Amino acid sequence: DVKVTQSSRYLVKRTGEKVFLECVQDMDHENMFWYRQDPGLGLRLIYFSYDVKMKEKGDIPEGYSVSREKKERFSLILESASTNQTSMYLCASSLRGLGYTFGSGTRLTVV
Amino acid sequence: DQQVKQNSPSLSVQEGRISILNCDYTNSMFDYFLWYKKYPAEGPTFLISISSIKDKNEDGRFTVFLNKSAKHLSLHIVPSQPGDSAVYFCAANAGGTSYGKLTFGQGTILTVHP
Repeated sequence: DVKVTQSSRYLVKRTGEKVFLECVQDMDHENMFWYRQDPGLGLRLIYFSYDVKMKEKGDIPEGYSVSREKKERFSLILESASTNQTSMYLCASSLRGLGYTFGSGTRLTVV
Repeated sequence: DQQVKQNSPSLSVQEGRISILNCDYTNSMFDYFLWYKKYPAEGPTFLISISSIKDKNEDGRFTVFLNKSAKHLSLHIVPSQPGDSAVYFCAANAGGTSYGKLTFGQGTILTVHP
């Protein structure tokens, strides 16, 4: 069974901390994505990657960075966590087409 | 600038009745549309899709309709079941070199009452 695995289901971090969210897929997909889900705003794209070491900004990249050193792993980094980054973070991967497979999400709370 | 809009935050229907979820878009470059379903504490899962060359696509109890002139699509669920209760997201892709990037709507919470 193909999978996208997010390393943590729940995280609580302090304001100003550097936070790493990890995502691993086992489907040999080229494309990987990070979204955040907020009530009333839906899913908004933060960053995506279409190949190893390649990254593109999404709609809301401010305050975030990403890393893709290996094809199967895509990391989201909050350089200095703030309370407005409290959210549900969802990782997804896809082959060249549009078949997204999502992870189960990481609920991040910044206090 | 919300390019994909789901204007109904919630919808409540009785079991066995039809559920109709609506979605509007503004970007004329969108040529592929999808619906995802999300349960609490789980990632979204793909439900059904439609290409802009079609105006209807069916899969069992689920049918998606596309009206390109109105930039509107809808998802019909017939008959609705309590297990359909979830958040439904409409999504769109602009093709080309978008690398499969999807733009999502805000979501509609569907509640199906027994």
